Amino acid sequence: AQKITQTQPGMFVQEKEAVTLDCTYDTSDPSYGLFWYKQPSSGEMIFLIYQGSYDQQNATEGRYSLNFQKARKSANLVISASQLGDSAMYFCAMRISGTYKYIFGTGTRLKVLA
Amino acid sequence: DGGITQSPKYLFRKEGQNVTLSCEQNLNHDAMYWYRQDPGQGLRLIYYSQIVNDFQKGDIAEGYSVSREKKESFPLTVTSAQKNPTAFYLCASSTENRKTEAFFGQGTRLTVV
Repeated sequence: AQKITQTQPGMFVQEKEAVTLDCTYDTSDPSYGLFWYKQPSSGEMIFLIYQGSYDQQNATEGRYSLNFQKARKSANLVISASQLGDSAMYFCAMRISGTYKYIFGTGTRLKVLA
Repeated sequence: DGGITQSPKYLFRKEGQNVTLSCEQNLNHDAMYWYRQDPGQGLRLIYYSQIVNDFQKGDIAEGYSVSREKKESFPLTVTSAQKNPTAFYLCASSTENRKTEAFFGQGTRLTVV
């Protein structure tokens, strides 16, 4: 069964430090995409970063990078130089090639401390 | 500006009443989705539609119904058969390309009293 697992319900990080949010996925399909979203308290879903299963390099977008370890089926999000505005829920998601469904994890609530 | 519009933002209904949540997109996306979000449970897929006049059940479709008569619109009806309808509902859309992200609306918070 296709599944996303986020094992950290909540995380704290000091301002200006880096933090890693864990995501593992389960699929037998070789072709898929992995996504990370940020959800502030307002409820909107903000797309952060994408990683394709065939991508050779880890994706990066500004302060966000994705630590993709295909053999371990993990796609951890790394946020560098944390800011107070990074405090939010973070969701990992997967979409299998040839399907339209986005499968989401349960999320990690990140709190950045001043 | 292109995007997805959900309305209303907050909705209150009495138990036993059906209620319809609106979702409109002007991104020209083929696919549209409805997700339900409860605290600690992430996003769960209710229904999705790949094309006009066609839709598929997601993981928690019981007690919900949808229609897709126009490409731009994908309304969700929460029926009285839904046992616990109070939740945050998110509508999304996407292209057929698996490499592209889903775009989300601002959400509707439904409270049934």
